[in-house]
Amino acid sequence: RKEVEQDPGPFNVPEGATVAFNCTYSNSASQSFFWYRQDCRKEPKLLMSVYSSGNEDGRFTAQLNRASQYISLLIRDSKLSDSATYLCVVNTLYGNKLVFGAGTILRVKS
Amino acid sequence: NAGVTQTPKFQVLKTGQSMTLQCAQDMNHNSMYWYRQDPGMGLRLIYYSASEGTTDKGEVPNGYNVSRLNKREFSLRLESAAPSQTSVYFCASSEASGLRTNEKLFFGSGTQLSVL
Repeated sequence: RKEVEQDPGPFNVPEGATVAFNCTYSNSASQSFFWYRQDCRKEPKLLMSVYSSGNEDGRFTAQLNRASQYISLLIRDSKLSDSATYLCVVNTLYGNKLVFGAGTILRVKS
Repeated sequence: NAGVTQTPKFQVLKTGQSMTLQCAQDMNHNSMYWYRQDPGMGLRLIYYSASEGTTDKGEVPNGYNVSRLNKREFSLRLESAAPSQTSVYFCASSEASGLRTNEKLFFGSGTQLSVL
């Protein structure tokens, strides 16, 4: 089983739609969780960290479910510019080791 | 702000050739990393350096060597390139050091490497 698993998509949604991605992780000792965004042929960039209590940044909401070992990303009012690959990233406490999911492709269409 | 700069952006090698990918960061970060990204797979850690003078293997270190030349620079060397090393390579850095949980990673723009 992969350490971090994501639905590869693509998720094709119209502008203005709400879309959600989940990401499951296998290591119950994982301590830190992140969502990165990667545009086509570009480097990944941090979108947001995921906190235990859940957190929101504008149209983006991230949630963590430790019991079921998954994190989620909700995007409201999708924009064309949200089209990208969203990478789930998980870290354990020791070893400076980040594990990346393969990513979920989002395509927002007009 | 330059951030993380890696060179070259593109490279084509023949099997058996060697090359070094260069990476430099100007953010005074402690930790630096080399990842490779292949289609359908997440970024995989090749090597990392938690501080100047230290390097450690990541998930896929075979066929690679690294040098943390100083706090700013972290290079990745392919001694004898193989077609399986065709990939996109990303250098990254973060403030994290020692056993601290990783903080935000800053990535370079990537190197697309093809080994024929």
